[in-house]
Amino acid sequence: QQQVKQSPQSLIVQKGGISIINCAYENTAFDYFPWYQQFPGKGPALLIAIRPDVSEKKEGRFTISFNKSAKQFSLHIMDSQPGDSATYFCAASMDSSASKIIFGSGTRLSIRP
Amino acid sequence: NAGVTQTPKFRILKIGQSMTLQCAQDMNHNYMYWYRQDPGMGLKLIYYSVGAGITDKGEVPNGYNVSRSTTEDFPLRLELAAPSQTSVYFCASSPGTAYGYTFGSGTRLTVV
Repeated sequence: QQQVKQSPQSLIVQKGGISIINCAYENTAFDYFPWYQQFPGKGPALLIAIRPDVSEKKEGRFTISFNKSAKQFSLHIMDSQPGDSATYFCAASMDSSASKIIFGSGTRLSIRP
Repeated sequence: NAGVTQTPKFRILKIGQSMTLQCAQDMNHNYMYWYRQDPGMGLKLIYYSVGAGITDKGEVPNGYNVSRSTTEDFPLRLELAAPSQTSVYFCASSPGTAYGYTFGSGTRLTVV
């Protein structure tokens, strides 16, 4: 119940296309869903996050879509650029848990010029 | 605006040696975490702390120890290094639960 399942493991998208990464969770107590972006040799960096009271959040070219009933959320990168090539991690946590965020296994995204 | 600072960036240890990975944050965050990331894999929690003097085990604590004497610092101690501890170690902090983490740039450790 503590898992966050992320897919696909790797993704290749043409420049200008839409990149979509999906995550699913089981624990309905999760109430914060962030996405992290990691470039090679760097630490993960918070990209965008959503709480379950909204179904979508957009920041620039990045959008989180959240489906509470299906217990799924996804990251959409519009007009994907070579600079977006990185590993993306979804995650989930809960206010009541003092311990940790549960991370997905990561998606390696490559944007082809 | 330093954020989370980790030292050293790289280290090679021989089997059986010990070392301390340093982590410091200047954001006055109560919550701090240590993760390890093996090649092509996700993040595994080693230890975490919810405030000075309070630490607890994560998913993979064996072979490691931590202390939290101040809000700013959260060092990770490796005792009797083993090849299985070869990994990249990330320290992170957050102001509380259900908030994003700020990660350090990592320490790449190789045990030979």
